[in-house]
Amino acid sequence: EAGVTQFPSHSVIEKGQTVTLRCDPISGHDNLYWYRRVMGKEIKFLLHFVKESKQDESGMPNNRFLAERTGGTYSTLKVQPAELEDSGVYFCASSQVQLGNTQYFGPGTRLTVL
Amino acid sequence: KQEVTQIPAALSVPEGENLVLNCSFTDSAIYNLQWFRQDPGKGLTSLLLIQSSQREQTSGRLNASLDKSSGRSTLYIAASQPGDSATYLCAVISGGSNYKLTFGKGTLLTVNP
Repeated sequence: EAGVTQFPSHSVIEKGQTVTLRCDPISGHDNLYWYRRVMGKEIKFLLHFVKESKQDESGMPNNRFLAERTGGTYSTLKVQPAELEDSGVYFCASSQVQLGNTQYFGPGTRLTVL
Repeated sequence: KQEVTQIPAALSVPEGENLVLNCSFTDSAIYNLQWFRQDPGKGLTSLLLIQSSQREQTSGRLNASLDKSSGRSTLYIAASQPGDSATYLCAVISGGSNYKLTFGKGTLLTVNP
């Protein structure tokens, strides 16, 4: 069974540009989460989808971040326009509550904003 | 607001030693607690999940315990090996939090051959 996949693995962009990160959860997992780790800090929650609906977006830093999950399958996280402080590693995770809600993480996308 | 603390921040041990990693959380009303391992440049690998009603979970050489009332969990690693070298992360889902994980900063473990 394929795990959580994320694309791209690395992205380097200039301040003010737009970047879109993609996450493909484990097949059949209704719950999809985005997290972020910035340098020197702990991993922090951004938002949670249940199928295509946003269940909790309390961790989104500001309105420059837009997450979507069309059709309840893969998800995208767009940052527009990117700022220097957006640099970090963005992780996606998925889970199925009926299976104890273990969250399975993808390898992350390392975003560098110059 | 839930806060998770992991002690020590870094630990270096000789191969074969048994060791304990500590995790504490401020709000004892948790749904579950999960231990992860992260290798450099890689994602998080789930090691063990303990539901709030459980006291411990075991997987191979790993044993995780949970004391909800005192807000503590420990990860015990038996007979450590160089391949165990990684960052170990503790994370909790607080009750009523819509399943979001709150992470500690992790413990960087180095097992020397």
